[in-house]
Amino acid sequence: GENVEQHPSTLSVQEGDSAVIKCTYSDSASNYFPWYKQELGKGPQLIIDIRSNVGEKKDQRIAVTLNKTAKHFSLHITETQPEDSAVYFCAAGRWSGGYNKLIFGAGTRLAVHP
Amino acid sequence: DAGITQSPRYKITETGRQVTLMCHQTWSHSYMFWYRQDLGHGLRLIYYSAAADITDKGEVPDGYVVSRSKTENFPLTLESATRSQTSVYFCASSDRERQAYEQYFGPGTRLTVT
Repeated sequence: GENVEQHPSTLSVQEGDSAVIKCTYSDSASNYFPWYKQELGKGPQLIIDIRSNVGEKKDQRIAVTLNKTAKHFSLHITETQPEDSAVYFCAAGRWSGGYNKLIFGAGTRLAVHP
Repeated sequence: DAGITQSPRYKITETGRQVTLMCHQTWSHSYMFWYRQDLGHGLRLIYYSAAADITDKGEVPDGYVVSRSKTENFPLTLESATRSQTSVYFCASSDRERQAYEQYFGPGTRLTVT
């Protein structure tokens, strides 16, 4: 069935370092790839997304890359700050049966140490 | 701008009881979704709604009932709660005019079934 694998499950970095989270998806019809940040006690917040017709997208310190051939996409955070500490979720989406169906990865807990 | 709100934020109930989780959005988004979040599973779709009076099952609908009589409200009912329904529940919405790709999440309801 459809699934999204996300690695690593936990990531610890020093402030100022870069962090990379990787996801692999199984459904070749997926064409939308969002990333969500979830802080403790809050709902997931959309931070960046990419469509299948784009290979890379950047927004300040965060960037996402997509390799459709390999069914692989990644989140890159540069110059990490303590406030980047959170759980990050990737998802792969496609239009299915009248709505945009999102399949989520299991999440990566990022800890940024001062 | 209130966005999307959920109530209650925390709920403890007993096995066999009926419980309703509320979701309200102020954006007039067409689409609304209910997800559950369990450790190691990411977010899984329970039900979705494309418009008022239009609902359909997601990945894990068993044991849940939804309704949508008004665009802004999308309540989720557990008709006879079971311990396996202990989870964090998130409501989300998306806008048809943006091709319904971007989903925006509420703060969640933590439900414990004893």
